[in-house]
Amino acid sequence: SYELTQPPSVSVSPGQTARITCSGDALPKKYAYWYQQKSGQAPVLVIYEDSKRPSGIPERFSGSSSGTMATLTISGAQVEDEADYYCYSTDSSGNHVFGGGTKLTVL
Amino acid sequence: EVQLVQSGAEVKKPGESLKISCKGSGYSFTSYWIGWVRQMPGKGLEWMGIIYPGDSDTRYSPSFQGQVTISADKSISTAYLQWSSLKASDTAMYYCARSIAAAASLDYWGQGTLVTVSS
Repeated sequence: SYELTQPPSVSVSPGQTARITCSGDALPKKYAYWYQQKSGQAPVLVIYEDSKRPSGIPERFSGSSSGTMATLTISGAQVEDEADYYCYSTDSSGNHVFGGGTKLTVL
Repeated sequence: EVQLVQSGAEVKKPGESLKISCKGSGYSFTSYWIGWVRQMPGKGLEWMGIIYPGDSDTRYSPSFQGQVTISADKSISTAYLQWSSLKASDTAMYYCARSIAAAASLDYWGQGTLVTVSS
């Protein structure tokens, strides 16, 4: 079955740039989406179609995709950005998959 | 304002049946897909399936096909996720979420329904 692979954890100091990667064989042809989930809350969409930012999402969140890897970048990470981040995409058969999630620590 | 409001927490015994709901408001319910996502305790997100309330077109993840049933009643703008015989391993938080297309992002999410299955 199709898999999206993320690092289990990323840690940065406040104000630094955090980069979270997501690798998957179908990403050259399929969009990647990114969700933020804070403890005890429902996920929130922060990036769609590789690099687009929904209204209300701070400009420090950006996305990119090249080849089999998509990347979520948080420029100038803040303490309130501490959360679990999930990438999401589909495979060539239309199956929807979430990555395993990355715990971002900002301290 | 787009809202997806899910039914409350449930505590059930193994073997029992269950149907949880997700009511949409603030948008045209029949013009968007509703997906369901599972999150087991301390674990990641898993995509279960999706339905288009406009014509009840339903797609399931291979992992959940035959294990759950997704349905919708467009007359009351509500989608459902149901089990005929619960197992302890069904204990999880279940989220519904809206999507403009079957393969697009889930943009608005419900608050989640916690299902606990225990003898």
